[in-house]
Amino acid sequence: GAVVSQHPSRVICKSGTSVKIECRSLDFQATTMFWYRQFPKQSLMLMATSNEGSKATYEQGVEKDKFLINHASLTLSTLTVTSAHPEDSSFYICSRATGSGEQYFGPGTRLTVT
Amino acid sequence: AQSVTQLGSHVSVSEGALVLLRCNYSSSVPPYLFWYVQYPNQGLQLLLKYTSAATLVKGINGFEAEFKKSETSFHLTKPSAHMSDAAEYFCAVTPGTGFQKLVFGTGTRLLVSP
Repeated sequence: GAVVSQHPSRVICKSGTSVKIECRSLDFQATTMFWYRQFPKQSLMLMATSNEGSKATYEQGVEKDKFLINHASLTLSTLTVTSAHPEDSSFYICSRATGSGEQYFGPGTRLTVT
Repeated sequence: AQSVTQLGSHVSVSEGALVLLRCNYSSSVPPYLFWYVQYPNQGLQLLLKYTSAATLVKGINGFEAEFKKSETSFHLTKPSAHMSDAAEYFCAVTPGTGFQKLVFGTGTRLLVSP
């Protein structure tokens, strides 16, 4: 069964509003989770590394004030897209890191900003 | 620094034919390598992984991959394609154990015709 869940699976919001996406680790405590975005027919682009109890580490070029990440517990990381615009429309995927290198991915969240 | 190159953005095979998806990597340290599969509008599912043990790795759904250090390759194969194998496949590399980033290739879309 799934080990990482995401909520919501799809969300449509108006330009200028904020949207929160939840990522839950279902089977294991997760000190480290990752957030990716994926444009149509493209690969995954790592946005940030989410660390429980500390600030997230953002990849170069990712606006930390726009994509707020909170990892307040060992099973939940959230990504908030603030003041969303149409160019933020994308497929957002989170993953849970393991100690052996691989990651387990959530089912993704389709964000559409109108 | 690490990277992976997937040759061929699209691969077409007939049902029952051999599947070969190519992945070459670059890594300054002994790598851990992975193949993931993604079905439309879904997250990624781990197919198999190489973690410096056996060079021939067997995964789920009949897939296998062989790590060849001399060729810096980790190609994915399946003896007989099934219609349900049609999906996007991603090769990924990480520098080893721990909670480290995955670096993904650009992906290869596998098309299976009857």
